[in-house]
Amino acid sequence: DVKVTQSSRYLVKRTGEKVFLECVQDMDHENMFWYRQDPGLGLRLIYFSYDVKMKEKGDIPEGYSVSREKKERFSLILESASTNQTSMYLCASSLGTWETQYFGPGTRLLVL
Amino acid sequence: EDQVTQSPEALRLQEGESSSLNCSYTVSGLRGLFWYRQDPGKGPEFLFTLYSAGEEKEKERLKATLTKKESFLHITAPKPEDSATYLCAVRPAGANNLFFGTGTRLTVIP
Repeated sequence: DVKVTQSSRYLVKRTGEKVFLECVQDMDHENMFWYRQDPGLGLRLIYFSYDVKMKEKGDIPEGYSVSREKKERFSLILESASTNQTSMYLCASSLGTWETQYFGPGTRLLVL
Repeated sequence: EDQVTQSPEALRLQEGESSSLNCSYTVSGLRGLFWYRQDPGKGPEFLFTLYSAGEEKEKERLKATLTKKESFLHITAPKPEDSATYLCAVRPAGANNLFFGTGTRLTVIP
């Protein structure tokens, strides 16, 4: 079974803090993704990576950056957290470009 | 513009009352339609992938079908444990990522 884990289930941060969200997959998948999920808006892609040290912007990259130093690990960084980044963050991975994406349990982030 | 619309937004069923959820899409070349189930506070769980019109897939009480414009998720004799939000996503041609609908929240009453 594919296993995607995320470092925290819940996080509370202050405005202006730098926030790190980590995602690890154990199936040697090439592609990894970060989404955010908000009520009424569905899942929106922030960034994705198709190889180590490679990244591409998704639909809403502003205010975020990512890092992929190892194949199994993909980090999402909020450089200076703001209240409008309060959301559910979901990480996913897939074996190849056209393959099914498998999701982690999510991190619910609250920015005060 | 690529678009995915799911209906209804919410659906309440009595246990055993079969029904269907709809996912209509407008994309420039479909390279896969995906159904996921999501329980409150958790990540989406993969159910099905469909690639071409006419394709059908089944798993327990769920059956997914695909036409050129929409997909249906049929739920036969649902049980309370089928209560969840069901998400539909499409991958357009040339895209690495998925475009998601906003989901249908299903409640099955005992």
